[in-house]
Amino acid sequence: KNEVEQSPQNLTAQEGEFITINCSYSVGISALHWLQQHPGGGIVSLFMLSSGKKKHGRLIATINIQEKHSSLHITASHPRDSAVYICAVSSGSARQLTFGSGTQLTVLP
Amino acid sequence: DAGITQSPRHKVTETGTPVTLRCHQTENHRYMYWYRQDPGHGLRLIHYSYGVKDTDKGEVSDGYSVSRSKTEDFLLTLESATSSQTSVYFCAIGGEGDQPQHFGDGTRLSIL
Repeated sequence: KNEVEQSPQNLTAQEGEFITINCSYSVGISALHWLQQHPGGGIVSLFMLSSGKKKHGRLIATINIQEKHSSLHITASHPRDSAVYICAVSSGSARQLTFGSGTQLTVLP
Repeated sequence: DAGITQSPRHKVTETGTPVTLRCHQTENHRYMYWYRQDPGHGLRLIHYSYGVKDTDKGEVSDGYSVSRSKTEDFLLTLESATSSQTSVYFCAIGGEGDQPQHFGDGTRLSIL
């Protein structure tokens, strides 16, 4: 069993829809990260959180430490949100990351 | 920008040749990391560094060595490249306290 599980693996939505991507983890962590990777490869950090909820524009990330679960929500989705979203957890003395397998999101106009 | 550059960005080489990838930062971060990304496996940690001359192994360190002789540079070496090391390699910096890791643009390495 992977230490970090993401779902769904693939998600297609219509522009304007509310989107949720889920992440579960099985290890002790210092923080949970949501990353975005567009075609062509660059990886961008969206959120780093260890409790509660964070919001940036149309993106919201939540974490439930007791349940070892996090969600990434995108409100009013747009085609430019199409990307791979990756959940990762940091642990260890050097905060090294362990990654989920990613969610390929396609938002259709 | 996070002040991290990887070189080269693309490389094609033959099995058995040595290959060195460079990660350079201008942010003075203590921690630096090398990851590889493969279809079906996602991103995995190869090696990391927690200071000059201080490095440790990650999940997939076999066949790789690293060196960090100064804060700015973290080198990843494939002593004798194999086809299974064809991958996209990402360097990252940061990770201290409340800081997220910032990733380089990646190096696409093909070993024929």
